[in-house]
Order: sequence, then C-alpha cells, then structure tokens
Amino acid sequence: GAVVSQHPSRVICKSGTSVKIECRSLDFQATTMFWYRQFPKKSLMLMATSNEGSKATYEQGVEKDKFLINHASLTLSTLTVTSAHPEDSSFYICSARDWGSSNQPQHFGDGTRLSIL
Amino acid sequence: AQKITQTQPGMFVQEKEAVTLDCTYDTSDQSYGLFWYKQPSSGEMIFLIYQGSYDEQNATEGRYSLNFQKARKSANLVISASQLGDSAMYFCAMSDSGSARQLTFGSGTQLTVLP
Repeated sequence: GAVVSQHPSRVICKSGTSVKIECRSLDFQATTMFWYRQFPKKSLMLMATSNEGSKATYEQGVEKDKFLINHASLTLSTLTVTSAHPEDSSFYICSARDWGSSNQPQHFGDGTRLSIL
Repeated sequence: AQKITQTQPGMFVQEKEAVTLDCTYDTSDQSYGLFWYKQPSSGEMIFLIYQGSYDEQNATEGRYSLNFQKARKSANLVISASQLGDSAMYFCAMSDSGSARQLTFGSGTQLTVLP
C-alpha cells in the first residue's frame, strides 16, 4: 500500500530555532500534500495544502511566514516552523494522496511531535 | 462548507462485542467521500474504510463496516468482535469534490475496549 514517511518523529529545541519537517511519499507520486496540526485530544486542523511546483494554499489564520511550505518534487514536501516559540509546540502530521483514483484515501505520515522549550 | 459531527467523545465496549461509532455530516456537494481513520496513542493515522456518496452498498473491510444512510447524512462505523488493540481515537472525515480532495475531520471518538 501507499506509504508516507515523515521525519523527524520528535523534536525538542530552544525557542527561536527554526525546525524543518519532511514528508515523503515513498511509492507513489503526490502532486498535492497536506499539512495538519493537532493539539492533545483534539481533531486534526488543516494548516495548508502543498502543491508541487507552486505556492502552498494556507488556511485562514495560519501564518505563511511562520510556517513555510516547500513542495519541490512529486515525492517531497517540507514544513519549516520559523523562529519557533513554545506556543508552536504541537503534533504536526502530513498526508498525501495517490492521484491514480479519486477514491484513494489520504495516507498519513507518522507525525512529528514538536516541543519548544 | 462541509461539517462532520461526532457526538460521542468517548465509548466503552467489552472485548469481542460490536460497537457503533456515530458520524453525521453536512455538505452541499453531490459528490463526496466519507472516510474513517484510527489514531492510536502513538499518533499515526490509519485508514480504515471509505464510502463514496454514489456507492449504493455499504462499505466493508474485514471487521469494519460503514453504515451509510444518505438521507440521514450519517456514516456510522461498526466494529465487530472488538479487540483490545482497537482502543484508539477514531475520526470520521469527508472529502470535498474539489481537485485536491481536502479532508474535513470530526472531533473524534475515543474508544476503549475492556477485557
């Protein structure tokens, strides 16, 4: 089945650091990937839709300059949390869909737990 | 705008029994997809089952079945013969008819299977 790899799985860093999270589709091409944020015991909140070769589409209320998204190839999208602060601590998870069929579900990475000290 | 409602924040079920997790949705689209995902405490999102809005038969995948009632706009997940490993958060989600097929998630149901 379709596999999405997300790295790193866990990050602990100091306030002010920029953190890059990678999302790779391992066995399929993904022209579109999605980035979500999830607070403890809450649902997934869509942050942005990442399109290969073009600018990401951000959801309302998501800071574009804070959460930089790059989708340089059909198998890789990156999310960079710039100058991270404690309020950015959260669980970030990406997903991608194989465009072979409109019925294909989104396949998720295993997520990244980000803790800013 | 699409909306997914899961009214059961938490559910308990005895091992080997069946359990139904409720999901209702609201959309103005004629074409849409409904999904269920399982999220264990480790965090990964595991796809369970899919139902298309034009599918006449209810979807089934092993112990999972989706009770799709289009007129009532409900898409309940039925888990038969519950196992301890089924304890997790379960999310109902809907995709829109746009090219990106964005997902809208419900608030989730925390299922606990009791031995």
